[in-house]
Amino acid sequence: RKEVEQDPGPFNVPEGATVAFNCTYSNSASQSFFWYRQDCRKEPKLLMSVYSSGNEDGRFTAQLNRASQYISLLIRDSKLSDSATYLCVVSLGTYKYIFGTGTRLKVLA
Amino acid sequence: NAGVTQTPKFRVLKTGQSMTLLCAQDMNHEYMYWYRQDPGMGLRLIHYSVGEGTTAKGEVPDGYNVSRLKKQNFLLGLESAAPSQTSVYFCASSHRDKEYEQYFGPGTRLTVT
Repeated sequence: RKEVEQDPGPFNVPEGATVAFNCTYSNSASQSFFWYRQDCRKEPKLLMSVYSSGNEDGRFTAQLNRASQYISLLIRDSKLSDSATYLCVVSLGTYKYIFGTGTRLKVLA
Repeated sequence: NAGVTQTPKFRVLKTGQSMTLLCAQDMNHEYMYWYRQDPGMGLRLIHYSVGEGTTAKGEVPDGYNVSRLKKQNFLLGLESAAPSQTSVYFCASSHRDKEYEQYFGPGTRLTVT
């Protein structure tokens, strides 16, 4: 079983829709969680950290469920510019980051 | 600020050839990393460095060597390239107080024939 698993998608959604992705992780000792965004043929960029209490940044909401070992990312009012691959990242400690393979989102006009 | 830059952007090597990938950052970050990204797999850490003159192995270090002689530069070397090393290589850096926030370079697309 992969340490971090994501549905590869693509998720095709119309502009203005709400879309959610989940990411499951296998190691219960995982300490920190993040979402990165990667545009086609570009480098990954940190989107947001994921806290136990959940966190929100504008149209983006991230949540962590330690009991079920998954994190989620919710995007409200999708924009064309949200089209990208979203990478789930789990930290097992300093310098030990496990990247998921990503979920591809396509927002359609 | 250029952030993190990588040289070259593209390269084609023949099996057995050697090359060095250069990463430079102008953010005065202590930590630097080399990853590879392959289809169907997440980014995997090759080597990392927590400061000038220090390096350590990551998840997939075999076939690669690194050096960090200056704080702003992190070099990745392939001594004898193999087709299995065809990949996109990303360098990243982070501040020691916020090491989870990694800033990535634009990547180097390497093909080994």
